[in-house]
Order: sequence, then C-alpha cells, then structure tokens
Amino acid sequence: DSGVTQTPKHLITATGQRVTLRCSPRSGDLSVYWYQQSLDQGLQFLIQYYNGEERAKGNILERFSAQQFPDLHSELNLSSLELGDSALYFCASSVEGWEETQYFGPGTRLLVL
Amino acid sequence: GENVEQHPSTLSVQEGDSAVIKCTYSDSASNYFPWYKQELGKGPQLIIDIRSNVGEKKDQRIAVTLNKTAKHFSLHITETQPEDSAVYFCAASNGRGYSTLTFGKGTMLLVSP
Repeated sequence: DSGVTQTPKHLITATGQRVTLRCSPRSGDLSVYWYQQSLDQGLQFLIQYYNGEERAKGNILERFSAQQFPDLHSELNLSSLELGDSALYFCASSVEGWEETQYFGPGTRLLVL
Repeated sequence: GENVEQHPSTLSVQEGDSAVIKCTYSDSASNYFPWYKQELGKGPQLIIDIRSNVGEKKDQRIAVTLNKTAKHFSLHITETQPEDSAVYFCAASNGRGYSTLTFGKGTMLLVSP
C-alpha cells in the first residue's frame, strides 16, 4: 500500500458526460501528479500540482482540468468525454516534486461507452 | 521534449535466469532515471533509481546501469522468481525547472517456474 488513495476505483459513463476523479496524497506529500495509462500510449503525464499551485503540464487535453485543494487532495475533471478517453488514470504523490520517488495510487479505471 | 524508448516490449525467462531491460533517452540533460514495477491491477511502484553522477547501482537482485555518453540505461534482474512477473517501466527526468518524468512504453516480464 503506497498511502495514496484514489476514488472511485471504476467508473463507467457515456460519451459527452463529465466525471471527477479524486486523489488523496500520502501524508506529508505536497506534490500531486496525474497520469493517464492506455494500452497504446503507455503512462502519459498529464499535470502536476505542488501545494495548491499548478507546477507542470504535460499532455493534458483542454477538456481536462485539475486542482489541488488546501487539504492537498486533488481532483481531475474530465468533460465532454470521448471513447478514446477510456483508460486508467493514476495519481501519484511525492514530498517536494523534484526528481524524487513518486508514490502511485491504485488508479481509477474509466470506461466511456 | 524528452523521448524514452524501451526494449523489449515482452520478455519471457525461466525461473533463476537473468533478465535485462534496456532504455534509451533523447535529452542529454536528463539526470534522474527511475524504474517502476507494475503488477496486475496495481499502480506502478518504484524499485530502483539512478542519478547521472553514478554509473551503476545495486539493490539485492536488482541493478541499474547508466551510460550517459550513449544515453542509455538498463535494468538487470538476477535469479528471477515468478513474483518478478510484472510490467516494468523506465523513466527519465531532465532536471530543468520543475522537471517531470517521461516513461518508456513498458516491458512485460514473465518468469516461468
């Protein structure tokens, strides 16, 4: 158990809908990362937050957004969902966010029908 | 941006054999190289990492080597066991600003008893 929690574990929704994925980092970790994992693209970095502020952006679509709250939990919002958004979404956390161990959560499996 | 290539995509070995997974990276400024293991239904877990000021690092049956000149790094697992069966990911971070990890596409390792 990494100490990172993610909810929900599974999510099934329809095209055009909006969903919110939630992540709670390990106690004491200030940095949260979101990744998308699909069979053909592997692990793709989406976005990073550090202590409530956006720090780095990767291959995140404009339909996707994230935020980190004062209690350090983070949410990833996916809107206008398409079939191709079906994937595993992982959250990871680390202490500072500077080339250090990232601890991954168990992931949320999203299926868009 | 950084590009990480990982080979092979699948690797089958007999229990007790050694396994080697190789990665190459494109950004010569990259200086942090972690390896993650992902078991079925779980998030990736860091197993070993290496920084550019070190050529080799070992932890029990696992070792990682880095050749900065050739821009490649490798994971070596000796005396493989069935519980080593998993997907292994290499990653690289370039240390520029708030650097993020770029992952390889993964290697599925199957260790047969």
